[in-house]
Amino acid sequence: QVQLVESGGGLVQPGRSLTLSCAASGFTFKNYAIHWVRQAPGKGLEWVAVISYDGAFKIYADSVRGRFTVSRDNSNTTAFLHMDSLRTEDTAFFYCAKALQSYGSGSSPFDHWGQGTLVSVSS
Amino acid sequence: EIVLTQSPATLSLSPGERATLSCRASQYINTYLAWYQQIPGQAPRLLIYDASKRATGIPARFSGSGSGIDFTLTISSLEPEDFAVYYCQQRTNWPLTFGGGTKVAIK
Repeated sequence: QVQLVESGGGLVQPGRSLTLSCAASGFTFKNYAIHWVRQAPGKGLEWVAVISYDGAFKIYADSVRGRFTVSRDNSNTTAFLHMDSLRTEDTAFFYCAKALQSYGSGSSPFDHWGQGTLVSVSS
Repeated sequence: EIVLTQSPATLSLSPGERATLSCRASQYINTYLAWYQQIPGQAPRLLIYDASKRATGIPARFSGSGSGIDFTLTISSLEPEDFAVYYCQQRTNWPLTFGGGTKVAIK
């Protein structure tokens, strides 16, 4: 079955960097876009970024553009979210999610989600 | 950015009752709207996509309707496991955006 497992979260000081990983299995990873969505504790969902199936297309939310970078390694079926210049307002659970439809730009609904990894930004 | 406004914020109902949740978009989004369910402590789950298509494995008591700017998620008869938070999400324009959520609570 489809599985997405995030890792790499933790406590980090403001201004520092962190890289999250999303290990995928159970589907043809190289054919699907991967999204990152975050949720501050007790708050709603916020879309963060997408990387297309081949890594050629990346889009970011305004709140993270220039600080966060998405990438993927199709040979190892893993996606990454590298976060620089972290702020206290970046504190959230970060989820990776698989696009429902294969190929394309990735603007399709998210049919499978990981369980999330918590990033806490605090001094 | 397309803003999605969900109403009501909280819906208090009893098991067996019908739930009607609304999502309004700030501009035309055709039928490119999805609904997700989130149970506390869990990841969201896709229920409905393209306004009215049920995702794989979703029970028939969940249905979606609407197009343009106004959308509705209906749960025909609430089961105990349906008490959760529901989010709508649009995929017409970047950035993708979510509504603020509707909590379906036990009355």
